[in-house]
Amino acid sequence: DIQMTQSPSSLSASVGDRVTITCRASQGISNFLAWYQQKPGRVPKLLIYGASILESGVPTRFSGSGSGADFTLTISNLQPEDVATYYCQRYNTAPLTFGGGSKVEI
Amino acid sequence: EVQLVESGGGLIQPGGSLRLSCEASGFAFRDYEMNWVRQAPGKGLEWVSSISSTGNTVNYADSVKGRFTVSRDNAKISVYLQMDSLRAEDTALYFCARGRLRYSRNDVIGYWGHGTLVTVSS
Repeated sequence: DIQMTQSPSSLSASVGDRVTITCRASQGISNFLAWYQQKPGRVPKLLIYGASILESGVPTRFSGSGSGADFTLTISNLQPEDVATYYCQRYNTAPLTFGGGSKVEI
Repeated sequence: EVQLVESGGGLIQPGGSLRLSCEASGFAFRDYEMNWVRQAPGKGLEWVSSISSTGNTVNYADSVKGRFTVSRDNAKISVYLQMDSLRAEDTALYFCARGRLRYSRNDVIGYWGHGTLVTVSS
């Protein structure tokens, strides 16, 4: 099965910073990559699908890029409400594997 | 409004069985792939299983294959997860989750329930 590796596992940044999280697949997955945000005590929320397509209602400070095996989630102008754990997920074929998560703190 | 309400969790001894249910509302249930995703306490998300809109295609994570069975009843707008031979490592909050698009397979998750807690312990 294809494994998904996220880095870093955690990071601390300041309000207004630009934050980058990476996700690497053990094999190419084209652009079948999604990003989710899970705030403490909440259910996950879809941010990005198709590696770079912003889900409706998601602030434009979130962006995604990449194709094949290497992907990036960028939060520009980090806000206090962005404190959360972020997960990537591949969905080209089952099993629909999640990455291990990246916790963002301020 | 899309709603997914899970039930059936609880405390169960290792080796035991449990059946989770998820009742859906607010959308055309029969048109969507459904998933189960779990999250162990303090840990990350783990995709567990999916079932196509017709129920004809099912998939499982290796960690549960042969022990868990997913099914659905479109007339009852519900999806189920039968969990047998439970282990301590199956302890988690189990989320019912809907694919984003109608008639899609291997889709991203657009909606999540709030989860039901399964604790496997003697």
